Amino acid sequence: KNEVEQSPQNLTAQEGEFITINCSYSVGISALHWLQQHPGGGIVSLFMLSSGKKKHGRLIATINIQEKHSSLHITASHPRDSAVYICAVNPDKLIFGTGTRLQVFP
Amino acid sequence: EAEVAQSPRYKITEKSQAVAFWCDPISGHATLYWYRQILGQGPELLVQFQDESVVDDSQLPKDRFSAERLKGVDSTLKIQPAELGDSAMYLCASSLSRDYEQYFGPGTRLTVT
Repeated sequence: KNEVEQSPQNLTAQEGEFITINCSYSVGISALHWLQQHPGGGIVSLFMLSSGKKKHGRLIATINIQEKHSSLHITASHPRDSAVYICAVNPDKLIFGTGTRLQVFP
Repeated sequence: EAEVAQSPRYKITEKSQAVAFWCDPISGHATLYWYRQILGQGPELLVQFQDESVVDDSQLPKDRFSAERLKGVDSTLKIQPAELGDSAMYLCASSLSRDYEQYFGPGTRLTVT
């Protein structure tokens, strides 16, 4: 069993929809990261959080340490949000999930 | 905005040849990471530097891979000899220190034929 599990693996949405991506992990962590990877490979860090909730623009990330679960929400999704979203946890080094491929259609 | 630089962006090499990748982290970032990402999977840490010292290379195939960060700034990752299974994206990242946010470079996509 992977230490970091993401769901769903693939997600399609219509522009404007509210999107949720889930991440569950099985190890003790000091922080959890949400990352975005566009075709071509570059990775951008979206959030690093250890408790509660963070918001940046249309993106919201939450974490429940007791339940070892985090969610990434995208409000009013847009085609430019199409990317792979990766959850990574930091016990002592980053352990990455396999990612959720999101496609948002106009 | 400061960025992590990597070169080359793409590399095609034949099996058994040597290949090298270069990474220049954000200025002032003490921690540098090399990751390997196989298509369809998440990145996997190969080596982590704190300044010029290796702090984690437990997943680095040391029979063929080597990494150095001689002056604690830029870094080179080498593979010799390359094997077909080494085809992947090689990502470099840096952070102020170990528990800080990591910033990723654009990656080097390696194809071994």
